[in-house]
Amino acid sequence: SQTIHQWPATLVQPVGSPLSLECTVEGTSNPNLYWYRQAAGRGLQLLFYSVGIGQISSEVPQNLSASRPQDRQFILSSKKLLLSDSGFYLCAWSGTIQETQYFGPGTRLLVL
Amino acid sequence: GESVGLHLPTLSVQEGDNSIINCAYSNSASDYFIWYKQESGKGPQFIIDIRSNMDKRQGQRVTVLLNKTVKHLSLQIAATQPGDSAVYFCAENGGDYKLSFGAGTTVTVRA
Repeated sequence: SQTIHQWPATLVQPVGSPLSLECTVEGTSNPNLYWYRQAAGRGLQLLFYSVGIGQISSEVPQNLSASRPQDRQFILSSKKLLLSDSGFYLCAWSGTIQETQYFGPGTRLLVL
Repeated sequence: GESVGLHLPTLSVQEGDNSIINCAYSNSASDYFIWYKQESGKGPQFIIDIRSNMDKRQGQRVTVLLNKTVKHLSLQIAATQPGDSAVYFCAENGGDYKLSFGAGTTVTVRA
């Protein structure tokens, strides 16, 4: 069966510091991968998606970036965090388009 | 523009009763819909999905109804249990890689 991992689970970072969040998927090949952000009490906002190694599409302009160095690894990064980057970051995968997206456990990021 | 929305932000239900959570969508091109359950501090968990060529689909204690005429989606939970307390999101897929999510309905089960 497929599993999706995210780490760290919780992160507290000062404004202006860098960020690296990692997501890995097991049990499937060539998944579509997604990064979402969820503000407190809100729905999910799609940040990036990837259909293959090195292929990244950005949904919203921001100071975040994503990379996919390996088939089942998806990384969310920032060179300098802003206060507004605080939130709950979720990674998800799907087999193909129009299939269900399955979410990881999330990373809670607090920028102070 | 297209949007997905839930009718009520909160729902309080007595344990053992049935719950109905509603969702409206505006993208008539959407042909795939999903319900997720999110418990506090966790990622959304898939509950059930339905494609536009169906109007009803049943799972274990859950039923999803789709009314394409009025662009309405509902999730029915039978015999609601304390473990059903969570935020429920509907999501739609209009044929690309993206899911559009509603803001969520918080369900609280009263003992």
